[in-house]
Amino acid sequence: EPEVTQTPSHQVTQMGQEVILRCVPISNHLYFYWYRQILGQKVEFLVSFYNNEISEKSEIFDDQFSVERPDGSNFTLKIRSTKLEDSAMYFCASKRTSGGARADTQYFGPGTRLTVL
Amino acid sequence: GNSVTQMEGPVTLSEEAFLTINCTYTATGYPSLFWYVQYPGEGLQLLLKATKADDKGSNKGFEATYRKETTSFHLEKGSVQVSDSAVYFCALGTTDSWGKFQFGAGTQVVVTP
Repeated sequence: EPEVTQTPSHQVTQMGQEVILRCVPISNHLYFYWYRQILGQKVEFLVSFYNNEISEKSEIFDDQFSVERPDGSNFTLKIRSTKLEDSAMYFCASKRTSGGARADTQYFGPGTRLTVL
Repeated sequence: GNSVTQMEGPVTLSEEAFLTINCTYTATGYPSLFWYVQYPGEGLQLLLKATKADDKGSNKGFEATYRKETTSFHLEKGSVQVSDSAVYFCALGTTDSWGKFQFGAGTQVVVTP
């Protein structure tokens, strides 16, 4: 069964460094998302991406964040200058179709745990 | 705005006990509702979903019914196993074209032998 994959599973970085989190969505999916989960807190939406551009972003997704689909398979989240508070689990998700009157299932990757020291 | 409220955990149960996790929501339009499960050290896995009022989602012995009149989507299982120990998240899929999810805070369930 197709699944969303993410690399690395764990990333440790120093404050101020740039990190790139990678995701390979399910191949025939059209909509891509990043969420994050700070330890012990709820899963929060960061950004959605469709047709090679950001379709929606949350207030968390400031200028330090960017997303890209550099080729036909990868979907990346870049944090330019990491802060301590960026430490979290980052989940990539994808779905096939648009919501319309109903929102379709999103399939989540296993996550990348980012630790900023 | 849209939001999901979930009962706090942890919920500790003995094996074969009945499990209920309450989830209520506020939303405009006609959202879809989901339950995701997160096992220790793993990502989010879809457990079940319902896309319209009175729909019942079911999977692996878990059930939840989309109740529009009470804006609820409570998760139930009649007889839990130790392997059901996990964190359960209620989620709402918005009806705008981009379909972002709103998640509840998650409920940790611990099942003891």
